[in-house]
Amino acid sequence: QGELQQWGAGVLKPSETLSLTCAVYVGSFSGHYWTWIRQSPGKGLEWIGEIKESGRTTYNPSLKGRVTMSVDTSKNQFSLRLTSVTAADTAVYYCARAKSLYFGALSVPYYIDYWGQGTPVAVSS
Amino acid sequence: IQLTQSPSSLSASVGDRVTITCRASQDISDYLAWYQQRPGKAPKLLIYATSTLQSGVPSRFSGSGSGTDFTLTISSLQPEDFASYYCQQLNSYPLTFGGGTKVEIK
Repeated sequence: QGELQQWGAGVLKPSETLSLTCAVYVGSFSGHYWTWIRQSPGKGLEWIGEIKESGRTTYNPSLKGRVTMSVDTSKNQFSLRLTSVTAADTAVYYCARAKSLYFGALSVPYYIDYWGQGTPVAVSS
Repeated sequence: IQLTQSPSSLSASVGDRVTITCRASQDISDYLAWYQQRPGKAPKLLIYATSTLQSGVPSRFSGSGSGTDFTLTISSLQPEDFASYYCQQLNSYPLTFGGGTKVEIK
């Protein structure tokens, strides 16, 4: 199995909710930024957002409040929910791990070193 | 922050030196990474912090730049290098990617 294994529904109807989960099999679950990225032919790679093991999240404002991320530290898993999907949300969705860069007690994402295998999601009526 | 990659595609031969440019719409210091993506696969990290080669990546790959202008250079193109390449800025949120450069066989 890969270091990050993701799963979730691949076909949705407009207005439904996209739900994906990613299991982590590499390194420690703490100290990294657990990230979701999507790739569509029209928009290239788009950063959706990230979550830390503490549950602290940062989302892309372009998704206008439709995104929720969560973590389950007991299972080393993190999840993505995207509500009210439309055809514009059709894409391959990737989970990923971003390494942290520390400035004393503070950290920022530094680079993405592991990716999931990708989940194609199609939104169609 | 918008990242503009150029060219969007290029044709080259094995052994050629290839340079891809990534321009940021504002100063991102050196918080730039480069990824390679083969068809049907997830991106793979090549370089981070503008010029630091990820472990296991061949030394024919190199990165340079600072501020707003960055380059990825492949010193001698190999058959396995025909792929798409993306830059990513990690200076400020939302994190963003360049539009990509597809390297094709001439």
